[in-house]
Amino acid sequence: DAGVIQSPRHEVTEMGQEVTLRCKPISGHNSLFWYRQTMMRGLELLIYFNNNVPIDDSGMPEDRFSAKMPNASFSTLKIQPSEPRDSAVYFCASSGQGWTDTQYFGPGTRLTVL
Amino acid sequence: AQKVTQAQTEISVVEKEDVTLDCVYETRDTTYYLFWYKQPPSGELVFLIRRNSFDEQNEISGRYSWNFQKSTSSFNFTITASQVVDSAVYFCALSEAVTGANNLFFGTGTRLTVIP
Repeated sequence: DAGVIQSPRHEVTEMGQEVTLRCKPISGHNSLFWYRQTMMRGLELLIYFNNNVPIDDSGMPEDRFSAKMPNASFSTLKIQPSEPRDSAVYFCASSGQGWTDTQYFGPGTRLTVL
Repeated sequence: AQKVTQAQTEISVVEKEDVTLDCVYETRDTTYYLFWYKQPPSGELVFLIRRNSFDEQNEISGRYSWNFQKSTSSFNFTITASQVVDSAVYFCALSEAVTGANNLFFGTGTRLTVIP
């Protein structure tokens, strides 16, 4: 079975540009999570979805960030406009519906904003 | 307050040595799960183990073993006969029933370097 798929794996963009990160969760998983990893702040949960519905977006840093999950097999994280401080590795993870289920992570997208 | 503390920022060992990575957690919940993840230099996060709060039995998987002690709120990870391929950052994480929906609280990670 395929794991969590993220694209692109690397993204370099200029400040002010729109960036869209994509995620395909593991088939059958009902929960999807977006994390950001930086040296300064470590791993931070940005938002998570349960059955395609956003449950908690309190970790989203500001209005420039938005996330959608139009169906059970696809999610996007968009940054508009991007800023250099958004440079980080963004991980998507998915799990079964129960809180006891393990989160499985994608390979991450390394974003660099110049 | 930090829910998961990994006091060891970096550890270096020589190949074939045993090494223990410490993890101390904090929760008021009686029902919770603890996890270890490995992040090798390639960058992905790899799930290693999950343990629930009602199961204090230690677990061994090959060269890996985990020691869960509720009395000291610790969930330590030992690698026996370390190998260069074990070099990675290791994260301990906690999820609590009270927050629901498997929010994971990660520690800051321990970078392990195994020297050949």
